[in-house]
Amino acid sequence: ETGVTQSPTHLIKTRGQQVTLRCSSQSGHNTVSWYQQALGQGPQFIFQYYREEENGRGNFPPRFSGLQFPNYSSELNVNALELDDSALYLCASSPGLADNTGELFFGEGSRLTVL
Amino acid sequence: KNQVEQSPQSLIILEGKNCTLQCNYTVSPFSNLRWYKQDTGRGPVSLTIMTFSENTKSNGRYTATLDADTKQSSLHITASQLSDSASYICVVSDSSYKLIFGSGTRLLVRP
Repeated sequence: ETGVTQSPTHLIKTRGQQVTLRCSSQSGHNTVSWYQQALGQGPQFIFQYYREEENGRGNFPPRFSGLQFPNYSSELNVNALELDDSALYLCASSPGLADNTGELFFGEGSRLTVL
Repeated sequence: KNQVEQSPQSLIILEGKNCTLQCNYTVSPFSNLRWYKQDTGRGPVSLTIMTFSENTKSNGRYTATLDADTKQSSLHITASQLSDSASYICVVSDSSYKLIFGSGTRLLVRP
């Protein structure tokens, strides 16, 4: 157990809908990053939040957005869902920015299927 | 372009045997290299983290090596167990917020 929890674990949406995924970080961790993992592929970095501010972003369109709350939990929002958004969405927390050698602790992921 | 390439894509070995997984990267500048184990449908779990100055690091039956000159890393698994069946992902940090993940090697350990 990493202490990082994600919800929901599975969900099904249709094209054009919006989805919100949630992540509770490990106690004491102020950094949360989100990743998209398509079937059979490695995770792709979406963005990172550090102390409630977006700290970096990967090659994802603006319809992927996020929030980090004062308790360092986080949300990932995806608008106007497309079929290619079907993936496992992983959240990871760390005690600092991921550019140091600090450990990343991943949640079990939210499996999104877009029909 | 920053990339992380892993080989082989998949591997089947018998229980008790050793195996070595490879990772080549073109990420620059380089900060650190990590190996993760990911069971199907689960989140990745860290095995090792190595910085530029480290050549080898062990975690139980897992030993990672790093050659920063050739930009290659390997993960050696000794005396494999059925529970080692998983995907093994190599991840490289480019000294910023960004981690670049390989596509992983899928290992199946058979009895």
